[in-house]
Amino acid sequence: QSVLTQPPSVSAAPGQKVTISCSGSTFNIGYNYVSWYQQLPGTAPKLLIYENNKRPSGIPDRFSGSKSGTSATLGITGLQTGDEADYYCGTWDSSLSASVFGGGTKLTVL
Amino acid sequence: QLQLQESGPGLVKPSETLSLTCTVSGGSISNSNYYWGWIRQPPGKGLEWIGSIFYRGGSNHNPSLKSRVTISVDTSKNQFSLKLSSMTATDTAAYYCARHWGLGGDGNWFDPWGQGTLVTVSS
Repeated sequence: QSVLTQPPSVSAAPGQKVTISCSGSTFNIGYNYVSWYQQLPGTAPKLLIYENNKRPSGIPDRFSGSKSGTSATLGITGLQTGDEADYYCGTWDSSLSASVFGGGTKLTVL
Repeated sequence: QLQLQESGPGLVKPSETLSLTCTVSGGSISNSNYYWGWIRQPPGKGLEWIGSIFYRGGSNHNPSLKSRVTISVDTSKNQFSLKLSSMTATDTAAYYCARHWGLGGDGNWFDPWGQGTLVTVSS
């Protein structure tokens, strides 16, 4: 069982918007930054969002991140078929003294 | 730009020790701004942080792996390494190395990642 809880799957049509939630506790999301990763099939994860809502260079502004309390959300607008991937949230857990990830969410663009 | 590449055996026998190396190119491993980490992913499952090391040698690792993990760094070769002892079938996974920004509450994100190497534990 992952420390952070994500929905196993989400889906939406091309051009639409989707959100992916990541739920934790005061020991992890509540007090620490959240990052998000995209893993296309057969490839390594790629950083999408860091420090809750910052995008690395080269990541389009269709991707956004937010955090409130002990939950975080990844938003993707203008969905494209190329966005079909697994998405993971991550943070530091102060009680475990460990970097932790969510179980991942599979995005299907219908 | 910075690139990381994992190397090591693709097959390990049960009870043996896995040894992997990550070679960093396009930048120096001797940078005080970040750590260098290992993450693994069993087939069809999620990500698990194994541990991370600073270029001066200080390391942190996942308590769930207890004393099985040893992470070291060789600044002269711009490499860092992972040893995982007492391997079992449950350790079968893709192993990734990555630059680890802000260990702990200082940020804690991984970028970039190596392409990963699949390690299978089987006799």
